[in-house]
Amino acid sequence: DTGVSQDPRHKITKRGQNVTFRCDPISEHNRLYWYRQTLGQGPEFLTYFQNEAQLEKSRLLSDRFSAERPKGSFSTLEIQRTEQGDSAMYLCASSLPPGEAFFGQGTRLTVV
Amino acid sequence: AQTVTQSQPEMSVQEAETVTLSCTYDTSESNYYLFWYKQPPSRQMILVIRQEAYKQQNATENRFSVNFQKAAKSFSLKISDSQLGDTAMYFCAFISRDDKIIFGKGTRLHILP
Repeated sequence: DTGVSQDPRHKITKRGQNVTFRCDPISEHNRLYWYRQTLGQGPEFLTYFQNEAQLEKSRLLSDRFSAERPKGSFSTLEIQRTEQGDSAMYLCASSLPPGEAFFGQGTRLTVV
Repeated sequence: AQTVTQSQPEMSVQEAETVTLSCTYDTSESNYYLFWYKQPPSRQMILVIRQEAYKQQNATENRFSVNFQKAAKSFSLKISDSQLGDTAMYFCAFISRDDKIIFGKGTRLHILP
């Protein structure tokens, strides 16, 4: 297992388009997290899963954002009708509690 | 709600010096974990050190050590003999009973040659 992988690494999209990102966690990890990070800021919590169950979604998150983790393995994060304010790095992490979270390299989204 | 505060947005030190990064947090829980993560420029986040709240002994990892003051809810990171490769953003993080991880806004550390 080579760690947490995210795809794509970079995405440029036009405002109003939908985008979907994928995260493949470390195989034995049952927790999976999504964060958003803008330049020079700390990761902002979006949502997290235990296996296939979504435990919490940030109240700051628009209804345009949705995440799934079917079968408790990989996860997808979809943003509908993208806006310029959605431009950010989207980070995925996984863990096996009480261990630390391991992060992927992130997907950088640019909305033009 | 749990919060994590890093009061130093940016710091610079000379190579080989010792530097301390500050972090305070707020929680009503008694058992939790604290972490320091490092994010080098354009690279992924990696764990530097972790501390279990029930352990009184401060964690150490080679040149990295923490000063954990549970009553004061303080968790600072000390980097000894700093190296150019230590240049990065450093994030303090708290993990609660429900395993949700909360990060501070980070400290940008520059190690100067």
